[in-house]
Amino acid sequence: LAKTTQPISMDSYEGQEVNITCSHNNIATNDYITWYQQFPSQGPRFIIQGYKTKVTNEVASLFIPADRKSSTLSLPRVSLSDTAVYYCLVASMEYGNKLVFGAGTILRVKS
Amino acid sequence: GAVVSQHPSRVICKSGTSVKIECRSLDFQATTMFWYRQFPKQSLMLMATSNEGSKATYEQGVEKDKFLINHASLTLSTLTVTSAHPEDSSFYICSARDMSGGYTGELFFGEGSRLTVL
Repeated sequence: LAKTTQPISMDSYEGQEVNITCSHNNIATNDYITWYQQFPSQGPRFIIQGYKTKVTNEVASLFIPADRKSSTLSLPRVSLSDTAVYYCLVASMEYGNKLVFGAGTILRVKS
Repeated sequence: GAVVSQHPSRVICKSGTSVKIECRSLDFQATTMFWYRQFPKQSLMLMATSNEGSKATYEQGVEKDKFLINHASLTLSTLTVTSAHPEDSSFYICSARDMSGGYTGELFFGEGSRLTVL
């Protein structure tokens, strides 16, 4: 499984756009990238996933360059309630699509 | 959307007793479920893959006799922590994938079960 590396923490202010970049240098051809959000004492919640280029949904965008060795989660206009841990994961069909979590990024949104 | 439910959400037990945690997929069938544990201020650690109708697959370092997993139906997997000790105190989280989305469908997580062993 491809290992992921992302910043340990980030600080932002309400209303700002936040970009969290994750590196996954060893990503394999059939792997896909997925991002989850976790609040304290809760299970993770799906944010977005993609294979290449750009994916957008109602809460975030995911940018994946052509070499797919990294990806960037973009959260537009964050609010205090976006304070959470964000996990970048690479899933592989070869490994049953199980998700192995890395350390994650603690995002703190301030007023 | 699809929901995964865990029960109990909190459990306190005495050292040496066994505790069972249930994980249910409420509106979809899940041939595969995953069990994680999470210690305070740490990331989730994958413990095992629960397979309906067959034996669970455990990650390296996870004692299968300590953490018994049963996936008796397409909507229910159970994790039993046997002879629990204080070091087993943790947040246990299950997850399941709605296969109608294919193998890359969203993985849904339960609310978690906090186990405290006295």
